[in-house]
Amino acid sequence: GESVGLHLPTLSVQEGDNSIINCAYSNSASDYFIWYKQESGKGPQFIIDIRSNMDKRQGQRVTVLLNKTVKHLSLQIAATQPGDSAVYFCAESYNNNDMRFGAGTRLTVKP
Amino acid sequence: EAGVAQSPRYKIIEKRQSVAFWCNPISGHATLYWYQQILGQGPKLLIQFQNNGVVDDSQLPKDRFSAERLKGVDSTLKIQPAKLEDSAVYLCASSRSLMGQGAGELFFGEGSRLTVL
Repeated sequence: GESVGLHLPTLSVQEGDNSIINCAYSNSASDYFIWYKQESGKGPQFIIDIRSNMDKRQGQRVTVLLNKTVKHLSLQIAATQPGDSAVYFCAESYNNNDMRFGAGTRLTVKP
Repeated sequence: EAGVAQSPRYKIIEKRQSVAFWCNPISGHATLYWYQQILGQGPKLLIQFQNNGVVDDSQLPKDRFSAERLKGVDSTLKIQPAKLEDSAVYLCASSRSLMGQGAGELFFGEGSRLTVL
């Protein structure tokens, strides 16, 4: 079946560097995408979202890029900080139904 | 505003026993979700409610799992009888958005961690 997945299970970056986390999705009908951050022992926390009629959206230190041609989503974190260490999930949905999550990427920030 | 509340935070049971989890969503949120998150994996949707009606329960193992959302507010998720493979964190989430009226952010509770021995 169609699913959301991630290219890399782990990512290690130096503090202050930029991080890029990638996600591949296969449901071309998906119209809404969210990036979540999950710290140990906590529920996922919203970072940023994007609708399918956009290809880029910026937040504070974060940018999400959507490439519908190749069904690819990425999360860019600028000036990565130790507090950014967590597992990051992309999620997709269609018509606000069945928000499905990928397997996640663990980001580790080295001081 | 208060977040999504879940209880209990932790539960340890033996296989074939039963367990129930409770969720109180954010006030006014029409849509409520239960997810199962097995260690090292992403959350998997079990059931989605819109008000007190079920929108999607296609991935709910109905022979042992049940959920209800009486009066369109609080929800309970029950497992009976539990199996070893049910060991996971059960996450509840809520959203303002209604199906077909534009997607919206899901707000998650901290989860209920179940260990089945």
